[in-house]
Amino acid sequence: NAGVMQNPRHLVRRRGQEARLRCSPMKGHSHVYWYRQLPEEGLKFMVYLQKENIIDESGMPKERFSAEFPKEGPSILRIQQVVRGDSAAYFCASSPDLEDTQYFGPGTRLTVL
Amino acid sequence: GQQLNQSPQSMFIQEGEDVSMNCTSSSIFNTWLWYKQDPGEGPVLLIALYKAGELTSNGRLTAQFGITRKDSFLNISASIPSDVGIYFCAGQRQGGSEKLVFGKGTKLTVNP
Repeated sequence: NAGVMQNPRHLVRRRGQEARLRCSPMKGHSHVYWYRQLPEEGLKFMVYLQKENIIDESGMPKERFSAEFPKEGPSILRIQQVVRGDSAAYFCASSPDLEDTQYFGPGTRLTVL
Repeated sequence: GQQLNQSPQSMFIQEGEDVSMNCTSSSIFNTWLWYKQDPGEGPVLLIALYKAGELTSNGRLTAQFGITRKDSFLNISASIPSDVGIYFCAGQRQGGSEKLVFGKGTKLTVNP
């Protein structure tokens, strides 16, 4: 059973461009979470999705950020008009129904020039 | 957003020594978790605690869920070089499918 997959692993964007981060949960997992980690910091929750639904987006900035988890395909975290402060590692985690444990992917490291 | 208070921030120890780190919160959590993160990787779950007062071991690792539900500690016995990494505590308020709140991490260095 493959683990949580994230791609790309590294992404470089110039200010004002769009960044798209993809997450494929573990097989059979219908819950996806996105977290952001700044250097020397812990992970901070952004958004929790189930298939086709956003359950909790309390950690998501109100502007420029959006997330989706379609019926088919990976979950996407989209950042429009990136700024230098968006540079961070973005981690996706997934969990199955009826289990608490969240399994993390290897992360996408976004660098905004 | 809230973060848990984790200490110490970093530790430098000799191989074979025991290590202890802890996490506190001003509010109650119903689940406490300890993760390890290696450079360039995502966090990997080490131990999960679901019950106040619970003491759980995983090999050389032992973690406890505080009675007040506002704290947890992790001990590593007889450290080895591959224990190097950043250890994070994380809490869930209600358990189930819910966001994790993380501490800032304890960076462990083990000198052979």
